[in-house]
Amino acid sequence: AQSVTQLGSHVSVSEGALVLLRCNYSSSVPPYLFWYVQYPNQGLQLLLKYTTGATLVKGINGFEAEFKKSETSFHLTKPSAHMSDAAEYFCAVSDRSGGSNYKLTFGKGTLLTVNP
Amino acid sequence: SQTIHQWPATLVQPVGSPLSLECTVEGTSNPNLYWYRQAAGRGLQLLFYSIGIDQISSEVPQNLSASRPQDRQFILSSKKLLLSDSGFYLCAWGENYGYTFGSGTRLTVV
Repeated sequence: AQSVTQLGSHVSVSEGALVLLRCNYSSSVPPYLFWYVQYPNQGLQLLLKYTTGATLVKGINGFEAEFKKSETSFHLTKPSAHMSDAAEYFCAVSDRSGGSNYKLTFGKGTLLTVNP
Repeated sequence: SQTIHQWPATLVQPVGSPLSLECTVEGTSNPNLYWYRQAAGRGLQLLFYSIGIDQISSEVPQNLSASRPQDRQFILSSKKLLLSDSGFYLCAWGENYGYTFGSGTRLTVV
């Protein structure tokens, strides 16, 4: 079984500061990893994903994440926070175990607040 | 390109009333479809998934049911709503490279 742990249900940063949202996963097979962003009363939007290849993945809105197998981590970063980054962020893992069903397991989410 | 439509956007229903939420997908065939519920502070809970017409799997025992009468249509239903059914319901289609989510339905049971 796979699982995702997001450390910190709420992270607050100042505008222009580094954003670091932490995600650790558990999977019995090499995973696919995802970060999604959700703005209030909206669906989830894919920020970035890791499938294979380069472990540093760049996404939309200046975000990036690094897959570290030894640490079973996939932390999300952005060098300089913008007010528009305030949202809830979800880390997810797919065990890519094959077959015709691809279930994602989500973390509980981290609410990012950006202070002016 | 693929798009996913979900409606209604908001819904207020009394306890004991029926429920029907609809999700349709365009631009793809035989998609894997999913219903999630999001309750405050509890992340996303997978309710149902479907790999084809009339092929529905339930992840968690619920007061809810799902149906897939057409390839690109996925319906979430209840015969009698409970207060605990309140939440934000999300439909998604996906494959191993990620999901595409609908815009969600905010259900409040009163």
